[in-house]
Amino acid sequence: SYELAQPPSVSVAPGQTARITCGGNSIGLRSVHWYQQKPGQAPVLVISYNKDRPSGIPDRFSGSNSGNTATLTISRVEGGDEADYYCQVWITTSSPPFVFGPGTKVTVL
Amino acid sequence: EEQLVESGGGLVQPGGSLRLSCISSGFIFSTSWMTWVRQAPGKGLEWVANIHLSGSETYYVNSVRGRFTISRDNAKNSLYLQMNSLRVEDTAVYYCARGASPFDLWGQGSLVTVSS
Repeated sequence: SYELAQPPSVSVAPGQTARITCGGNSIGLRSVHWYQQKPGQAPVLVISYNKDRPSGIPDRFSGSNSGNTATLTISRVEGGDEADYYCQVWITTSSPPFVFGPGTKVTVL
Repeated sequence: EEQLVESGGGLVQPGGSLRLSCISSGFIFSTSWMTWVRQAPGKGLEWVANIHLSGSETYYVNSVRGRFTISRDNAKNSLYLQMNSLRVEDTAVYYCARGASPFDLWGQGSLVTVSS
């Protein structure tokens, strides 16, 4: 099975930049999607296909993917960005084929 | 407004059965793959199953294959998850989601608790 690695937590001051990494073997060859989940709520897709922002997602959210690491970047962090963030990939040769990272808790100081 | 609404969760004893439903609105249901994702209490997200537009193809995570059945009724804009032989480790919030990577629309979730 394919495994993804994320840091358990990231802390950032308001107005600063948060970077959340997602590590995986040659993940740069895959399409990575990112989800935001606030406490008690359903996940929301914030970045698809490595860097695309769905409608309604602020341009403070951006993504990149290269080598063995994908990164979600949140610029000008706000208190409302405090949430768990999950990366996800689709690996047709893996079991299971749809894999989520373990999640990163972003805390706004 | 595009929306997914789950129902059918609850408390069930180990070995029991439960059927989850997910009703869609605001988009053309029959043109989307659909997926179930679960989240155990305090844990991360886990893909459970997904189904082709027409229902002709279904896929499952190994831990539920043979016990769970995903299905859909495009005439009713509805997705289902029939869960049999439930185990304690199946306790989770079950989300229906649109798509098969990425999952671009999620329901609010339905809590399934398997306990004696």
